[in-house]
Amino acid sequence: KAGVTQTPRYLIKTRGQQVTLSCSPISGHRSVSWYQQTPGQGLQFLFEYFSETQRNKGNFPGRFSGRQFSNSRSEMNVSTLELGDSALYLCASSWWGGANTEAFFGQGTRLTVV
Amino acid sequence: GEDVEQSLFLSVREGDSSVINCTYTDSSSTYLYWYKQEPGAGLQLLTYIFSNMDMKQDQRLTVLLNKKDKHLSLRIADTQTGDSAIYFCAESSDNAGNMLTFGGGTRLMVKP
Repeated sequence: KAGVTQTPRYLIKTRGQQVTLSCSPISGHRSVSWYQQTPGQGLQFLFEYFSETQRNKGNFPGRFSGRQFSNSRSEMNVSTLELGDSALYLCASSWWGGANTEAFFGQGTRLTVV
Repeated sequence: GEDVEQSLFLSVREGDSSVINCTYTDSSSTYLYWYKQEPGAGLQLLTYIFSNMDMKQDQRLTVLLNKKDKHLSLRIADTQTGDSAIYFCAESSDNAGNMLTFGGGTRLMVKP
Protein backbone atom coordinates (compact mmCIF):
# COMPACT_ATOMS: atom_id res chain seq x y z
CA LYS A 1 0.00 0.00 0.00
CA ALA A 2 1.57 3.28 -1.08
CA GLY A 3 2.07 5.91 1.58
CA VAL A 4 1.27 9.61 1.50
CA THR A 5 2.99 11.24 -1.46
CA GLN A 6 3.92 14.89 -1.51
CA THR A 7 5.26 16.70 -4.53
CA PRO A 8 7.57 18.36 -5.13
CA ARG A 9 10.04 17.42 -2.38
CA TYR A 10 12.00 20.64 -2.67
CA LEU A 11 11.09 24.04 -4.02
CA ILE A 12 12.82 27.40 -4.22
CA LYS A 13 10.71 30.47 -4.88
CA THR A 14 11.21 34.22 -4.85
CA ARG A 15 9.42 36.64 -2.55
CA GLY A 16 6.11 37.73 -4.01
CA GLN A 17 5.60 34.61 -6.09
CA GLN A 18 2.98 31.99 -5.42
CA VAL A 19 3.39 28.25 -4.96
CA THR A 20 1.20 25.16 -5.14
CA LEU A 21 2.04 21.99 -3.23
CA SER A 22 0.39 18.64 -3.82
CA CYS A 23 -0.52 15.74 -1.55
CA SER A 24 -1.84 12.33 -2.57
CA PRO A 25 -3.26 10.50 0.44
CA ILE A 26 -3.18 6.79 1.11
CA SER A 27 -5.75 5.01 -1.03
CA GLY A 28 -9.14 5.03 0.69
CA HIS A 29 -8.27 7.89 3.04
CA ARG A 30 -10.65 10.81 2.81
CA SER A 31 -9.15 13.28 5.26
CA VAL A 32 -6.10 15.36 4.40
CA SER A 33 -4.47 17.81 6.80
CA TRP A 34 -1.63 20.24 6.20
CA TYR A 35 1.01 21.37 8.69
CA GLN A 36 3.83 23.88 8.54
CA GLN A 37 7.07 23.01 10.35
CA THR A 38 9.65 25.71 11.12
CA PRO A 39 12.51 25.78 13.63
CA GLY A 40 10.97 28.74 15.42
CA GLN A 41 7.28 27.82 15.54
CA GLY A 42 7.47 24.04 15.38
CA LEU A 43 4.60 22.12 13.83
CA GLN A 44 1.50 24.20 13.23
CA PHE A 45 -1.81 23.11 11.80
CA LEU A 46 -2.84 24.84 8.58
CA PHE A 47 -6.12 23.23 7.53
CA GLU A 48 -7.94 19.96 7.08
CA TYR A 49 -10.09 18.75 4.22
CA PHE A 50 -12.60 15.96 4.26
CA SER A 51 -14.71 14.97 1.27
CA GLU A 52 -13.69 18.11 -0.62
CA THR A 53 -14.75 20.42 2.23
CA GLN A 54 -12.52 22.39 4.55
CA ARG A 55 -13.40 21.13 8.00
CA ASN A 56 -10.84 22.90 10.19
CA LYS A 57 -8.56 25.86 9.72
CA GLY A 58 -5.55 26.97 11.72
CA ASN A 59 -4.44 30.50 12.47
CA PHE A 60 -2.75 31.41 9.21
CA PRO A 61 -3.34 34.42 6.93
CA GLY A 62 -5.59 34.20 3.90
CA ARG A 63 -2.53 33.87 1.66
CA PHE A 64 -2.61 30.20 2.62
CA SER A 65 -5.39 28.27 0.96
CA GLY A 66 -6.13 24.73 -0.03
CA ARG A 67 -8.54 22.46 -1.77
CA GLN A 68 -9.35 18.80 -2.09
CA PHE A 69 -10.43 16.96 -5.19
CA SER A 70 -12.97 14.18 -5.58
CA ASN A 71 -10.18 11.58 -5.52
CA SER A 72 -9.09 12.99 -2.11
CA ARG A 73 -5.87 14.46 -3.50
CA SER A 74 -5.22 17.86 -1.99
CA GLU A 75 -3.32 20.97 -2.94
CA MET A 76 -2.28 23.92 -0.88
CA ASN A 77 -1.43 27.29 -2.31
CA VAL A 78 0.54 30.14 -0.83
CA SER A 79 0.31 33.47 -2.59
CA THR A 80 2.58 36.49 -2.29
CA LEU A 81 5.35 34.48 -0.66
CA GLU A 82 7.30 35.96 2.22
CA LEU A 83 10.69 34.91 3.55
CA GLY A 84 8.97 33.61 6.68
CA ASP A 85 7.02 31.10 4.63
CA SER A 86 10.20 29.05 4.23
CA ALA A 87 9.36 25.80 5.97
CA LEU A 88 8.74 22.10 5.65
CA TYR A 89 5.11 21.59 4.67
CA LEU A 90 3.73 18.25 5.77
CA CYS A 91 0.53 16.61 4.73
CA ALA A 92 -1.23 13.87 6.68
CA SER A 93 -3.99 11.54 5.59
CA SER A 94 -6.40 9.46 7.57
CA TRP A 95 -9.42 7.36 6.84
CA TRP A 96 -12.13 9.68 8.11
CA GLY A 97 -10.30 12.19 10.21
CA GLY A 98 -11.87 11.86 13.61
CA ALA A 99 -9.77 12.15 16.73
CA ASN A 100 -9.54 8.38 17.01
CA THR A 101 -7.99 7.75 13.63
CA GLU A 102 -4.33 7.44 12.87
CA ALA A 103 -2.84 10.17 10.72
CA PHE A 104 -0.05 9.14 8.36
CA PHE A 105 2.38 11.80 7.22
CA GLY A 106 4.16 12.29 3.94
CA GLN A 107 7.85 13.16 3.58
CA GLY A 108 7.01 16.82 3.21
CA THR A 109 7.82 19.58 0.74
CA ARG A 110 10.67 21.83 1.77
CA LEU A 111 9.94 25.33 0.53
CA THR A 112 12.67 27.95 0.50
CA VAL A 113 11.72 31.54 -0.22
CA VAL A 114 14.59 33.80 -1.30
CA GLY B 1 -5.55 27.85 23.45
CA GLU B 2 -4.20 24.35 23.73
CA ASP B 3 -0.57 23.95 24.63
CA VAL B 4 1.72 20.92 24.54
CA GLU B 5 5.15 21.09 26.15
CA GLN B 6 8.18 18.83 25.92
CA SER B 7 11.75 19.05 27.09
CA LEU B 8 14.15 19.85 24.27
CA PHE B 9 16.82 17.24 24.60
CA LEU B 10 17.58 13.80 26.03
CA SER B 11 20.81 11.84 25.85
CA VAL B 12 21.08 8.17 26.80
CA ARG B 13 23.51 5.30 26.33
CA GLU B 14 22.71 2.44 23.99
CA GLY B 15 20.89 -0.32 25.88
CA ASP B 16 19.47 2.02 28.52
CA SER B 17 15.83 3.02 28.74
CA SER B 18 14.73 6.44 27.49
CA VAL B 19 11.82 8.33 28.97
CA ILE B 20 10.44 11.30 27.06
CA ASN B 21 7.91 13.46 28.85
CA CYS B 22 5.08 15.68 27.65
CA THR B 23 2.50 17.87 29.34
CA TYR B 24 -0.66 19.25 27.79
CA THR B 25 -3.29 21.72 28.85
CA ASP B 26 -6.42 20.82 26.89
CA SER B 27 -8.71 18.89 29.23
CA SER B 28 -10.84 17.80 26.28
CA SER B 29 -7.93 15.93 24.70
CA THR B 30 -9.21 12.58 23.59
CA TYR B 31 -6.24 10.97 21.92
CA LEU B 32 -2.55 11.51 22.58
CA TYR B 33 0.07 10.48 20.08
CA TRP B 34 3.79 9.97 19.81
CA TYR B 35 5.50 10.63 16.48
CA LYS B 36 9.13 10.14 15.47
CA GLN B 37 10.94 12.32 12.94
CA GLU B 38 14.31 11.39 11.51
CA PRO B 39 16.46 13.94 9.65
CA GLY B 40 14.97 14.95 6.33
CA ALA B 41 11.89 12.80 6.83
CA GLY B 42 8.24 13.23 7.64
CA LEU B 43 6.57 12.11 10.84
CA GLN B 44 6.20 8.43 11.70
CA LEU B 45 3.36 7.50 14.04
CA LEU B 46 4.79 5.37 16.84
CA THR B 47 1.80 4.84 19.08
CA TYR B 48 -1.24 6.55 20.52
CA ILE B 49 -3.35 6.27 23.64
CA PHE B 50 -6.98 7.03 24.32
CA SER B 51 -7.55 9.38 27.24
CA ASN B 52 -9.43 6.79 29.29
CA MET B 53 -6.36 4.53 29.35
CA ASP B 54 -3.47 4.73 31.82
CA MET B 55 -0.94 2.69 29.94
CA LYS B 56 -0.29 1.14 26.57
CA GLN B 57 2.59 -1.16 25.68
CA ASP B 58 3.77 -1.96 22.20
CA GLN B 59 7.00 -3.98 21.98
CA ARG B 60 9.79 -1.70 23.26
CA LEU B 61 7.44 1.26 23.70
CA THR B 62 5.41 2.00 26.82
CA VAL B 63 3.10 5.01 27.02
CA LEU B 64 1.95 6.22 30.42
CA LEU B 65 -0.85 8.75 30.80
CA ASN B 66 -1.67 10.66 33.98
CA LYS B 67 -4.86 12.41 33.00
CA LYS B 68 -5.19 14.22 36.33
CA ASP B 69 -1.80 15.89 35.87
CA LYS B 70 -2.14 16.02 32.04
CA HIS B 71 1.21 14.26 31.75
CA LEU B 72 2.19 11.79 29.05
CA SER B 73 5.41 9.83 28.80
CA LEU B 74 7.02 7.54 26.26
CA ARG B 75 9.46 4.93 27.50
CA ILE B 76 11.72 3.22 25.00
CA ALA B 77 13.30 0.07 26.40
CA ASP B 78 16.77 -1.08 25.27
CA THR B 79 17.34 2.13 23.32
CA GLN B 80 19.32 1.67 20.10
CA THR B 81 21.32 4.15 18.02
CA GLY B 82 18.59 3.88 15.39
CA ASP B 83 16.20 5.44 17.90
CA SER B 84 18.08 8.74 17.65
CA ALA B 85 15.52 11.19 16.28
CA ILE B 86 13.13 13.93 17.33
CA TYR B 87 10.05 12.71 19.17
CA PHE B 88 6.83 14.71 19.14
CA CYS B 89 3.83 14.28 21.32
CA ALA B 90 0.51 15.51 19.98
CA GLU B 91 -3.08 15.69 21.12
CA SER B 92 -6.46 15.89 19.49
CA SER B 93 -10.00 16.12 20.74
CA ASP B 94 -13.21 14.61 19.45
CA ASN B 95 -14.51 17.88 18.14
CA ALA B 96 -11.32 18.84 16.35
CA GLY B 97 -11.46 16.43 13.46
CA ASN B 98 -8.00 15.49 12.33
CA MET B 99 -6.33 18.53 13.86
CA LEU B 100 -3.30 17.70 15.95
CA THR B 101 -1.59 20.07 18.37
CA PHE B 102 2.08 19.19 18.63
CA GLY B 103 4.70 19.76 21.26
CA GLY B 104 8.00 21.29 20.28
CA GLY B 105 9.73 17.93 20.04
CA THR B 106 12.41 16.20 22.11
CA ARG B 107 15.68 15.39 20.41
CA LEU B 108 16.87 11.97 21.57
CA MET B 109 20.56 11.23 21.18
CA VAL B 110 21.69 7.66 21.77
CA LYS B 111 25.39 7.21 22.46
CA PRO B 112 27.05 3.90 21.60
